Amino acid sequence: GAGVSQSPRYKVAKRGQDVALRCDPISGHVSLFWYQQALGQGPEFLTYFQNEAQLDKSGLPSDRFFAERPEGSVSTLKIQRTQQEDSAVYLCASSATLYYEQYFGPGTRLTVT
Amino acid sequence: AQSVTQLDSQVPVFEEAPVELRCNYSSSVSVYLFWYVQYPNQGLQLLLKYLSGSTLVKGINGFEAEFNKSQTSFHLRKPSVHISDTAEYFCAVRPFRGSGAGSYQLTFGKGTKLSVIP
Repeated sequence: GAGVSQSPRYKVAKRGQDVALRCDPISGHVSLFWYQQALGQGPEFLTYFQNEAQLDKSGLPSDRFFAERPEGSVSTLKIQRTQQEDSAVYLCASSATLYYEQYFGPGTRLTVT
Repeated sequence: AQSVTQLDSQVPVFEEAPVELRCNYSSSVSVYLFWYVQYPNQGLQLLLKYLSGSTLVKGINGFEAEFNKSQTSFHLRKPSVHISDTAEYFCAVRPFRGSGAGSYQLTFGKGTKLSVIP
């Protein structure tokens, strides 16, 4: 595709459920970033990958958050035992390399009830 | 570590009037600077970026920004706004390549909501 795509666009989960959010980066982009945007806030860094290697996961808020990119393309952000404070928009971005411009997807809006 | 402060959370302005959205940053290493725009229910779109060279940077949709190293600012301006400019604007920084920062994610401000009044 021409841009970064994310699915689902909207997800409602009951507290305690596990969720999986998918990101399809721009073809050929080796770097992939995840950000969390709480209501009324700017995006905050969660983690990033260079190909399949997760180089930095310092932004993941707890051990309930897990991200993977097993083949260096599609990435999945998994949240276990969701809590209300996990409600946010999760943005994915990809770039040709770590140092190049990041292109953002439309985001997945997660609502935990 | 880096931080970004956007001094105004909301800016109302009349159509065809000029606007300035303010951004200040703090960083222990050299950084690149960016402005992104976010329309409702959409992702972030890059408006402009400062990497090096001229401190006045022109972007899309008639926006421009000026990097001021001594004041650690990167304010966004447009001489005449349109209704379609109504959106949220985010200032962001990222460490230079080779700065030793060890990580290359963007650090964002909290955003400024621009409302253009007809």
